Amino acid sequence: ETGVTQTPRHLVMGMTNKKSLKCEQHLGHNAMYWYKQSAKKPLELMFVYSLEERVENNSVPSRFSPECPNSSHLFLHLHTLQPEDSALYLCASSQEAGTANNQPQHFGDGTRLSIL
Amino acid sequence: EDQVTQSPEALRLQEGESSSLNCSYTVSGLRGLFWYRQDPGKGPEFLFTLYSAGEEKEKERLKATLTKKESFLHITAPKPEDSATYLCASSGSARQLTFGSGTQLTVLP
Repeated sequence: ETGVTQTPRHLVMGMTNKKSLKCEQHLGHNAMYWYKQSAKKPLELMFVYSLEERVENNSVPSRFSPECPNSSHLFLHLHTLQPEDSALYLCASSQEAGTANNQPQHFGDGTRLSIL
Repeated sequence: EDQVTQSPEALRLQEGESSSLNCSYTVSGLRGLFWYRQDPGKGPEFLFTLYSAGEEKEKERLKATLTKKESFLHITAPKPEDSATYLCASSGSARQLTFGSGTQLTVLP
């Protein structure tokens, strides 16, 4: 496989459920990202990992919990979500996430999350 | 705070009718200006990076240009398969990408 792969592609869950989103990149990159994309709104950066260390956390509610076990895998653990959390969750990777940050990010096709 | 504004929000063109999409940015210490294409149900697909004013890049019917305040994505003789949402993003000293809301382009046959 090539590029950035996200699973599942679609997820429907109740507000009391616990689920996890998975992302895997096959590009040899060192940085990985989680974004939230809601209709008609810009992509919102949630978390950044560089060399498996979390370097950004943009005031995301604690009901979202990221995990980066190695430079190729990224998870987003979900629990007690709210209806407003329904959105497309995108994973991305780039060569680096340091102060240079002039490298393009490459995205997966996302997980469409619906909260009942 | 970095800001990126894209216009128009939506654009409908006839096949072959050339036009331009606008991306206005306010960023401290621009490190890169990125263009992406996003099809329905898919993630953004990287198109171009521009690093300094005056730079231009081309790919098939698309050409991206950059000034100190704006970037333009010029589409020459578009085809229906160019229909997509085009996203612009800037990277500055904040060390993260700031995205615009996108322009939804529809090219009619």
